[in-house]
Amino acid sequence: DAGVIQSPRHEVTEMGQEVTLRCKPISGHDYLFWYRQTMMRGLELLIYFNNNVPIDDSGMPEDRFSAKMPNASFSTLKIQPSEPRDSAVYFCASSLTGGLNTGELFFGEGSRLTVL
Amino acid sequence: GQQVMQIPQYQHVQEGEDFTTYCNSSTTLSNIQWYKQRPGGHPVFLIQLVKSGEVKKQKRLTFQFGEAKKNSSLHITATQTTDVGTYFCAGGDSGGSNYKLTFGKGTLLTVNP
Repeated sequence: DAGVIQSPRHEVTEMGQEVTLRCKPISGHDYLFWYRQTMMRGLELLIYFNNNVPIDDSGMPEDRFSAKMPNASFSTLKIQPSEPRDSAVYFCASSLTGGLNTGELFFGEGSRLTVL
Repeated sequence: GQQVMQIPQYQHVQEGEDFTTYCNSSTTLSNIQWYKQRPGGHPVFLIQLVKSGEVKKQKRLTFQFGEAKKNSSLHITATQTTDVGTYFCAGGDSGGSNYKLTFGKGTLLTVNP
């Protein structure tokens, strides 16, 4: 079975540019999570979806960040405009269950973003 | 908000020595998960603990969940070079309106062969 698929794996862009990160969760998983990982702050939950509906976006840093899940097999995380402090590895994860019964999270390989 | 603290931040051991990482939460947890991330890789699920005082073993790894469900530990017996990586705990909190899984900052384990 294919795992969680993320693209691009690496992105280098200049400050002010728009960045779009993509994720395909594991088929049949109802929950999708976007995490950001940096040395300073560790793994931070940005937003998660249940059945394509955003449930908790309290971790989204600011209005420059937006996430969508138009269908069960695709999600995007967009940063517009990007800033150097957005440089991080962005992970997408999916799980079969959520809420109190959240099972294991299956993480994608991550998208390493560098904003110059 | 919920905070999950993990110590130590780094641990370097000789192959064959034991290793322990500790996780403490500011709030009572509904469950705790442990993940391992190899250098340059992504977090991979190891185990989930749900019950107060629960102990689970996976070969050389022993996981414990505290009686008060506010702390947890991962112990590795006789480390091997394949154990190298960052070990994260993630605490589940159902106290608010939405369930949250909050990761600790992890313990980076390096093993000298």
